[in-house]
Amino acid sequence: SQKIEQNSEALNIQEGKTATLTCNYTNYSPAYLQWYRQDPGRGPVFLLLIRENEKEKRKERLKVTFDTTLKQSLFHITASQPADSATYLCALVLSGGYNKLIFGAGTRLAVHP
Amino acid sequence: DSGVTQTPKHLITATGQRVTLRCSPRSGDLSVYWYQQSLDQGLQFLIQYYNGEERAKGNILERFSAQQFPDLHSELNLSSLELGDSALYFCASSPTPGTGGGTDTQYFGPGTRLTVL
Repeated sequence: SQKIEQNSEALNIQEGKTATLTCNYTNYSPAYLQWYRQDPGRGPVFLLLIRENEKEKRKERLKVTFDTTLKQSLFHITASQPADSATYLCALVLSGGYNKLIFGAGTRLAVHP
Repeated sequence: DSGVTQTPKHLITATGQRVTLRCSPRSGDLSVYWYQQSLDQGLQFLIQYYNGEERAKGNILERFSAQQFPDLHSELNLSSLELGDSALYFCASSPTPGTGGGTDTQYFGPGTRLTVL
């Protein structure tokens, strides 16, 4: 069956450390993968997009990798801050179709001072 | 603020009732997407409209329907409501029909929290 898996348990880290979140998928062939941030009671906010032929993408303190062989994306936040605390969602976009996003359940990140 | 507005913010109703959720996309965006987010199912795509026409369908129940009007706002109609329909309903918009693949960023509204008692 098709699945997208993100760490279901919350990730707790100290301020200043690098947070690494994982997104694994099975039985999908995504053309693109997007990462969103969601704060409690609010809508997701787009962060980064990475294409299947890209290995790595960076934006300020954020870095995303995409390994189509491992069927995995890693999302890194360097020099993390308490304001980075939120739930992070990965979303697959399948090739050949419209822009239908298939979301993972998300990982809650808590950055402690 | 994404520029996408949704009303109402909260809605409490009873089983068997019908409700309408409203979404206004960002200025200039022609695509509207509806998503349902519940605790056990996560964020699920329901349906997409582009410039008034239905473009893609996801896991939308037959009791649910949507439309996009000439002024590009969209409404999601939920009927014969059940307890399990309680969820956050999000609307998102993007400027293009989404046929360019996954490069189209979607801008999400603040959501409508529906509680069915």
